[in-house]
Amino acid sequence: QLQLQESGPGLVKPSETLSLTCTVSGGSISSSSYYWGWIRQPPGKGLEWIGSIYYSGSTYYNPSLKSRVTISVDTSKNQFSLKLSSVTAADTAVYYCASHYNWNDPLAYWGQGTLVTVSS
Amino acid sequence: DIQMTQSPSSLSASVGDRVTITCRASQSISSYLNWYQQKPGKAPKLLIYAASTLQSGVPSRFSGSGSGTDFTLTISSLQPEDFATYYCQQSYSSPWTFGQGTKVEIK
Repeated sequence: QLQLQESGPGLVKPSETLSLTCTVSGGSISSSSYYWGWIRQPPGKGLEWIGSIYYSGSTYYNPSLKSRVTISVDTSKNQFSLKLSSVTAADTAVYYCASHYNWNDPLAYWGQGTLVTVSS
Repeated sequence: DIQMTQSPSSLSASVGDRVTITCRASQSISSYLNWYQQKPGKAPKLLIYAASTLQSGVPSRFSGSGSGTDFTLTISSLQPEDFATYYCQQSYSSPWTFGQGTKVEIK
């Protein structure tokens, strides 16, 4: 059973870069066919898929955020990461990491989520 | 992007009631439709995938149906632990998109 855990700063200043890491346990992040993704949820609002990375390193981003997003994998640490640049207050949200087995599969495993507030 | 529209946005129901939530896609998504349950302060939990397949461990009172553009989540007999917000999500094409959510409240 996969377990995912987000970590990173809870407060980021406007115009800076938000950086989060998701640590995977219960399985190898380099296992074939797994995708590793990020989803966010502004306070009191719905869910938005940010992007996913395949175990091989191929990335897939939401076009609405693509110019500001980088998702990467560190197989040596069994982690994957999210970087979101030039943040504004609109990027304040709970950020979740999650995984899905094949591209069209559902998000079966989720981290608990971490609140990131953008404020000076 | 494929737009996902849920209805209703909220509903009030009593324990034991049959509850139905609908989700409509702006274009055909075959059966690539998933349902999640989210409780306050918690991550979403997968309930149903591929429109009608129950995730392991999910009670059988939950069921899903539909294909193409119209989908339904049904709770046959609402239990106290089912009061939550429910989201549909399409995994047919990128970017993956979610419905706006349906909040199920106690009547």
